Amino acid sequence: QSVLTQPPSVSGAPGQRVTISCTGSSSNIGAGYDVHWYQQLPGTAPKLLIYGNSNRPSGVPDRFSGSKSGTSASLAITGLQAEDEADYYCQSHDSSLSGSVFGGGTKLTVL
Amino acid sequence: EVQLVESGGGLVQPGGSLRLSCAASGFTFSSYSMNWVRQAPGKGLEWVSYISSSNSTIYYADSVKGRFTISRDNAKNSLYLQMNSLRDEDTAVYYCARDPGYGGYEVDYWGQGTLVTVSS
Repeated sequence: QSVLTQPPSVSGAPGQRVTISCTGSSSNIGAGYDVHWYQQLPGTAPKLLIYGNSNRPSGVPDRFSGSKSGTSASLAITGLQAEDEADYYCQSHDSSLSGSVFGGGTKLTVL
Repeated sequence: EVQLVESGGGLVQPGGSLRLSCAASGFTFSSYSMNWVRQAPGKGLEWVSYISSSNSTIYYADSVKGRFTISRDNAKNSLYLQMNSLRDEDTAVYYCARDPGYGGYEVDYWGQGTLVTVSS
């Protein structure tokens, strides 16, 4: 049971928009800690996709965007492409646990 | 180019010990906090431990507290994870991961990972 809750899977057709939610609590996201998102393609190390709730590292397409409100955060992907098929993880810091926490991960399938 | 190269993984019996190393290059290692993150086969990411650039702050996940020790040698540009009293559930790919220092505990660079298998 992960501290941050994500849907196990989402799917969408090419060109569509999908969102992935990340729900936390008052000791992590709700406490004001930033949320970050990672993309993990099969057999590879994770890649930072969004940091500080809504910031994109250089090289990440603007099709990817992040937002945060209250105890939750969301990752939105627009103009879905076949290459976006991957696992996505959210991450934050937790004051009660004194460390980082990850969501359980969401598998994105491009139909 | 930032590079993080883990080593030291392998097969170990339950109750045994293993020391992982991470060789860093392409950046000023001593200026960055570092993490270990693991991923059990077919499972999600699990944060393991964090160490600040100057060794002044160290955090551990509850699942490894008292068994694992994170350390670093800034002169050798290296990060370590000493793992003792290993259990079956410690079987995972272990990633060395850099904190960029933006203050949010995120990770901007990951190594390729080293596999630790705990089995009799």
